[in-house]
Amino acid sequence: AQKITQTQPGMFVQEKEAVTLDCTYDTSDPSYGLFWYKQPSSGEMIFLIYQGSYDQQNATEGRYSLNFQKARKSANLVISASQLGDSAMYFCAMREGEYGNKLVFGAGTILRVKS
Amino acid sequence: GAVVSQHPSWVICKSGTSVKIECRSLDFQATTMFWYRQFPKQSLMLMATSNEGSKATYEQGVEKDKFLINHASLTLSTLTVTSAHPEDSSFYICSADRLQGPSNQPQHFGDGTRLSIL
Repeated sequence: AQKITQTQPGMFVQEKEAVTLDCTYDTSDPSYGLFWYKQPSSGEMIFLIYQGSYDQQNATEGRYSLNFQKARKSANLVISASQLGDSAMYFCAMREGEYGNKLVFGAGTILRVKS
Repeated sequence: GAVVSQHPSWVICKSGTSVKIECRSLDFQATTMFWYRQFPKQSLMLMATSNEGSKATYEQGVEKDKFLINHASLTLSTLTVTSAHPEDSSFYICSADRLQGPSNQPQHFGDGTRLSIL
């Protein structure tokens, strides 16, 4: 069974608008972490934001925020005020249990920002 | 911030040769390093988990004798693609976890290696 599901293969957004990238997950471990990474065409993986399963508040980092709905097992990434440089592949990932355990990645969403 | 260096960034070689890729954590000690393979426009596929001083744990379907992993120190892991063939051409990327840290620490990724086998 898929542990991380990203249902949007590709998304377009107009520059300066907000966009939501969807991510749902599946785990029976009460302790887990959810991560979002950005991968531009050059290939490097850029860490964006983290949400822990016990965190009471939604995570925010600058223009990135995470809409964490634990009961629905969703962790959608919201990018506000999109910029052309946001065009990239975005991956949602989950780590179950403690650090040192492997990350499981979703299929990714390609985001294109239009001017 | 934490830096992971991966070398080389780009390799072209003839079929049948072996290629070694290095992954170094530059400013922290990494007990665990991970090796991924990625095809164009696809997700990262975990190949193996590398722990310092012990044998790597390979994911199902990954050939141990084909992809040799060595984690000789807390700052260095290597992946050797032995007797490489065109189907081994791919983007290989490593990541590292700190020796000590909370569970919210992200894995730190190298910049990846593009391997092309002719």
